[in-house]
Amino acid sequence: GNSVTQMEGPVTLSEEAFLTINCTYTATGYPSLFWYVQYPGEGLQLLLKATKADDKGSNKGFEATYRKETTSFHLEKGSVQVSDSAVYFCALRDLGNTPLVFGKGTRLSVIA
Amino acid sequence: DTGVSQDPRHKITKRGQNVTFRCDPISEHNRLYWYRQTLGQGPEFLTYFQNEAQLEKSRLLSDRFSAERPKGSFSTLEIQRTEQGDSAMYLCASSLGGRRDSYGYTFGSGTRLTVV
Repeated sequence: GNSVTQMEGPVTLSEEAFLTINCTYTATGYPSLFWYVQYPGEGLQLLLKATKADDKGSNKGFEATYRKETTSFHLEKGSVQVSDSAVYFCALRDLGNTPLVFGKGTRLSVIA
Repeated sequence: DTGVSQDPRHKITKRGQNVTFRCDPISEHNRLYWYRQTLGQGPEFLTYFQNEAQLEKSRLLSDRFSAERPKGSFSTLEIQRTEQGDSAMYLCASSLGGRRDSYGYTFGSGTRLTVV
């Protein structure tokens, strides 16, 4: 079946540090890939997405590249801010009508 | 459009009681999804609707759970005879459906259920 594996948190970084959150997936088809972010007390918000191999999704300084050969979609940001502190979820949607499948989430804390 | 709305935001109930949650999706979205999220875990799929038709139910959705979307607009999720293991955040999401689901879903803020 379809599944998503994320690196376990929590991840604690100083402001302006480089961020990588690893995400790998298993899918029967050719999925679309997503990163969602959940700020404290709020619902999930779509951060970025990619629908085919070698696509790069980007938003708010975050980037992730769809790597079919390594079945990965790692999230990166060059310089994190305190306001980036949140839980980040990697997700996939396979072909057809299958619903989004999420990873367990990675909590990021950025300290000033 | 104010996005996906869920009501209530918080619900505390005694074990054995019934609870009902409501979700109002984005008006032009055909699909509506229910997910459950427990502490430290990602959202887990429960069920989804295409307009008023319930198309898929997860094995997580026991007989005590029932969801409806009577007119293809808002949806309700009812849990009968609640158990402490039902304590979780219940998330609703909506989407355009079909290939446009590659754009992602829009989630509500969730209903946090605590069963005491």
